[in-house]
Amino acid sequence: EAGVAQSPRYKIIEKRQSVAFWCNPISGHATLYWYQQILGQGPKLLIQFQNNGVVDDSQLPKDRFSAERLKGVDSTLKIQPAKLEDSAVYLCASSLAIGTSRSFGQFFGPGTRLTVL
Amino acid sequence: GENVEQHPSTLSVQEGDSAVIKCTYSDSASNYFPWYKQELGKRPQLIIDIRSNVGEKKDQRIAVTLNKTAKHFSLHITETQPEDSAVYFCAASKGSNYQLIWGAGTKLIIKP
Repeated sequence: EAGVAQSPRYKIIEKRQSVAFWCNPISGHATLYWYQQILGQGPKLLIQFQNNGVVDDSQLPKDRFSAERLKGVDSTLKIQPAKLEDSAVYLCASSLAIGTSRSFGQFFGPGTRLTVL
Repeated sequence: GENVEQHPSTLSVQEGDSAVIKCTYSDSASNYFPWYKQELGKRPQLIIDIRSNVGEKKDQRIAVTLNKTAKHFSLHITETQPEDSAVYFCAASKGSNYQLIWGAGTKLIIKP
């Protein structure tokens, strides 16, 4: 079974530039999560999708971050404009649909390491 | 809201010894408790999880115990090996969204 795919793996940009990350979840996983992980900390949830609908985006800095999952499969996360403090690893995770008996486990992609100069 | 505390922040054990990492949670409605292992530069990997209707779960050298009354759960690793060196995160989840509230992580160092 293929895992969660993410691209690019690394990105270096200057502050005020824009950047986009892509995620393709495990086949059949209806729930998709974007996390931000700063070095030395645990993952912080940015947004959660169920199919193509947003379940929770309360911790997404909406003035600069946006995310979409138009067809309920792959997803993109965008930052515009980037700030120095956005330097982090952006992790995508997926799980079976919430509300099902097997919905608990979240499986992570390899992440995108973003450096903002 | 839910808060998860994890201890210790760093744990150093001799190879072959056991390691125990403890987490406490604040919301008694939490009902799902996964443990993730994250090696340096890698993704978090789900290594074991437990639901609130079970007190203990074991998978080879790793086990998780849950005490709902005291609201704490622990990861036990026996016969530790060098490849067990990593950061371990506990988490707790509840409700319909199953969002994870993460602990701060424990860096496990296995000394040869």
